[in-house]
Amino acid sequence: DSGVTQTPKHLITATGQRVTLRCSPRSGDLSVYWYQQSLDQGLQFLIQYYNGEERAKGNILERFSAQQFPDLHSELNLSSLELGDSALYFCASSVASRSGNTIYFGEGSWLTVV
Amino acid sequence: AQSVTQLGSHVSVSEGALVLLRCNYSSSVPPYLFWYVQYPNQGLQLLLKYTSAATLVKGINGFEAEFKKSETSFHLTKPSAHMSDAAEYFCAVSDREAAGNKLTFGGGTRVLVKP
Repeated sequence: DSGVTQTPKHLITATGQRVTLRCSPRSGDLSVYWYQQSLDQGLQFLIQYYNGEERAKGNILERFSAQQFPDLHSELNLSSLELGDSALYFCASSVASRSGNTIYFGEGSWLTVV
Repeated sequence: AQSVTQLGSHVSVSEGALVLLRCNYSSSVPPYLFWYVQYPNQGLQLLLKYTSAATLVKGINGFEAEFKKSETSFHLTKPSAHMSDAAEYFCAVSDREAAGNKLTFGGGTRVLVKP
């Protein structure tokens, strides 16, 4: 158990809908990351927050957004869903945002868009 | 931009045989390097990381990796494979000079262990 908690574990929704994925980082970790894992794209970095502020942005679509709240939990919002958004979404956390810090991953949220 | 290449998307080894997973990176400055393992239906677990101390890094479960700057490689090895090593392995790189410390992953290598 990494200490990173993600909900829901599985989600099935229809095209055009909106979903919210939730992440609780490890106790004391200030950095939260979101990654997408799909068969065709592999593991892609989406976005990082550090202590409530956006720190780095990757291949995140405009239909997707994220935020980190004062209690440090984070949410990833996916809207106008398309079939191609079906993937495993990982949240990860680390104590700081300095390179070399170990990043711990949750077990992921499986999203299926039908 | 950084990138990671893992040679071989699938590797099959016999139980007790050497496990060798290849990883090459591309980076303008010496990066930090990581190996993660993903067991079926689980998240990513850190096996080991290189952050510019010793070039030979020992990790969990008997795995180790050697950083070779001249070859831009960070290959993962385990002397004797166990059935429980069947999983997907990911090499990742982090830019030590960038804001934040996001990981860029390779495509992964799935390991099958034959009895």
